[in-house]
Parts: sequence; structure tokens; C-alpha cells
Amino acid sequence: DTAVSQTPKYLVTQMGNDKSIKCEQNLGHDTMYWYKQDSKKFLKIMFSYNNKELIINETVPNRFSPKSPDKAHLNLHINSLELGDSAVYFCASSHVQTRTEAFFGQGTRLTVV
Amino acid sequence: GEDVEQSLFLSVREGDSSVINCTYTDSSSTYLYWYKQEPGAGLQLLTYIFSNMDMKQDQRLTVLLNKKDKHLSLRIADTQTGDSAIYFCAPVSGNTGKLIFGQGTTLQVKP
Repeated sequence: DTAVSQTPKYLVTQMGNDKSIKCEQNLGHDTMYWYKQDSKKFLKIMFSYNNKELIINETVPNRFSPKSPDKAHLNLHINSLELGDSAVYFCASSHVQTRTEAFFGQGTRLTVV
Repeated sequence: GEDVEQSLFLSVREGDSSVINCTYTDSSSTYLYWYKQEPGAGLQLLTYIFSNMDMKQDQRLTVLLNKKDKHLSLRIADTQTGDSAIYFCAPVSGNTGKLIFGQGTTLQVKP
């Protein structure tokens, strides 16, 4: 009955590989987000989808590609992983129309070696 | 631009009050959140305040907003060791629900 769930929780991979992180929400929210938290705990938004439409695309390398097959899912695919991509990636969702607060997943700790 | 600043670290003794301060730059934020992050965990919503309010009290938590100075504070009364965590203030930017975060404040509660 988890509200926002991400998989995997931990991901260790080599430089140059391609990997995906999946996110699902069962709250009926209309908007989903990806945030990145660096080693200094600084959190920054990467992407946002509202009803499957991309509405926020911050300055993120185009190796990062989000995909939203439906309102309840937002996946993040990363090509050609680099050492600097190591971080914790958080998925979140909210209902923008009714201004409900954002609920966050538990995070995916990505380590690129 | 959009920016949030908080002091990085605060240490208090159990039973004392903690006050975590935050300044932000986006004057159009209509609501502002406080999130708590425990080690290895996601972000948990603590409380929020609308921009047309000056103060909100929620059990041990008191939020004060000075919109003119773009200053937000979170007071935790009777701080407990379980309150040790990183606290993030997060104003909402625009109408997309996008949250603006800084580095957060690490609260250490000593027994």
C-alpha cells in the first residue's frame, strides 16, 4: 500500500552503462517528478510530467530521458552513465490542481564506478 | 532566480526548542513546505503554510512566515532525539507544483 514506490532502491553500475529507475504512485495524483539529491544533500528538480505530458525539463543532460506511460508511472532512463551521475534520485507525485503536497518515494541510490 | 538558503547545522539538547530558519527568493510562492529526511530515507512532509498566513501551529511545530523578507522558520518545541534529521524548507514555484530546495539543515539532538 506504499504511496510512491521506486525500484530499485540501490543501483551500482559501471561507467558507460545504461540503466533505468522505475516509479509508480497509487495516490491518483496528476503530476509526477524526478528530483536528484547530490552528496551535499542538495535537492534539485529534474523533470515533471502532468497527465503524461512533460511540463518541467530543467537543465539536465540529454542522456537522461523520462518516460511516462500513464499518469501513475514515471520512469527515468539514463544512457552512458558517468561518475558524476552518482546520487540519490527521488520520485515524487502531487495533485497540482488541488494543490496537494508532494509525496516522495524512498529514493534510489545510484553509484557509478 | 529561484534559491533557498538554510544554515547547514543545528545542535540542541533534548527538551529544548529548535528553530530552523530559511530564506528564499521566489516571491510568487503561494505555499511553502517543511520536509524531514531521516538517514537513508525519503522526504516526509512535516507541515506547510500558505503565503497569506503569518503563522501556523501544528502540535509541537510552529511555522512563521515573513513574506516581506522572504523568511520562513520552523520551531520544534520539546525537541526529542527522534527529531534528529535533515530539515528542508521548500517553497512551491509557479503552478506546476515544482518544489525549490536548498541543502537542508541537519538537526542534531543531544540526550
